[in-house]
Amino acid sequence: DAKTTQPNSMESNEEEPVHLPCNHSTISGTDYIHWYRQLPSQGPEYVIHGLTSNVNNRMASLAIAEDRKSSTLILHRATLRDAAVYYCILRDRGATNKLIFGTGTLLAVQP
Amino acid sequence: GAGVSQSPRYKVAKRGQDVALRCDPISGHVSLFWYQQALGQGPEFLTYFQNEAQLDKSGLPSDRFFAERPEGSVSTLKIQRTQQEDSAVYLCASSPRLSAYEQYFGPGTRLTVT
Repeated sequence: DAKTTQPNSMESNEEEPVHLPCNHSTISGTDYIHWYRQLPSQGPEYVIHGLTSNVNNRMASLAIAEDRKSSTLILHRATLRDAAVYYCILRDRGATNKLIFGTGTLLAVQP
Repeated sequence: GAGVSQSPRYKVAKRGQDVALRCDPISGHVSLFWYQQALGQGPEFLTYFQNEAQLDKSGLPSDRFFAERPEGSVSTLKIQRTQQEDSAVYLCASSPRLSAYEQYFGPGTRLTVT
């Protein structure tokens, strides 16, 4: 399975934008890029996913590099409730539906 | 609407005991997954069901782990002869689609083996 690399931790201030990077240099053409987040003592929560084009939804935006070797999850205005571990995951469109989680980025949001 | 529920939320077992963990997926969801999450780590895939069929059990760590979903809704993860290394949070997720690109997770069951 293709691997992702994320910083262990990041800090942000409340109401400021947050850019969470993810490197996936071994991505294949059929891999989707998924982002999930896990708040303390909860199960992971789907955030967004994409293949080639940038994606927006009510939670976040996903910016995908032209060569697809990296992507960035953008939270437009961080709130205290966004403090969580954010996981960047590659999922093969064809073979299996399982998610392969890494260790993610722990985002701290300061008031 | 109701999300994925899991029971019990906490379970303490003595080493060697058998445990059964239950998952109630969102009604109508065809795909169901079990993951294991050790402290400080990301979740690790255990097994996957499409309706009642277990299509992937490649993540089950040993033959002490067994999962079933007999009627294509509720699922049970059973661990026989528990060991200390089985201590973890067990997460269940379901998805309405066969592609399962968006998985909805339950709160998990925290298993502690003493």
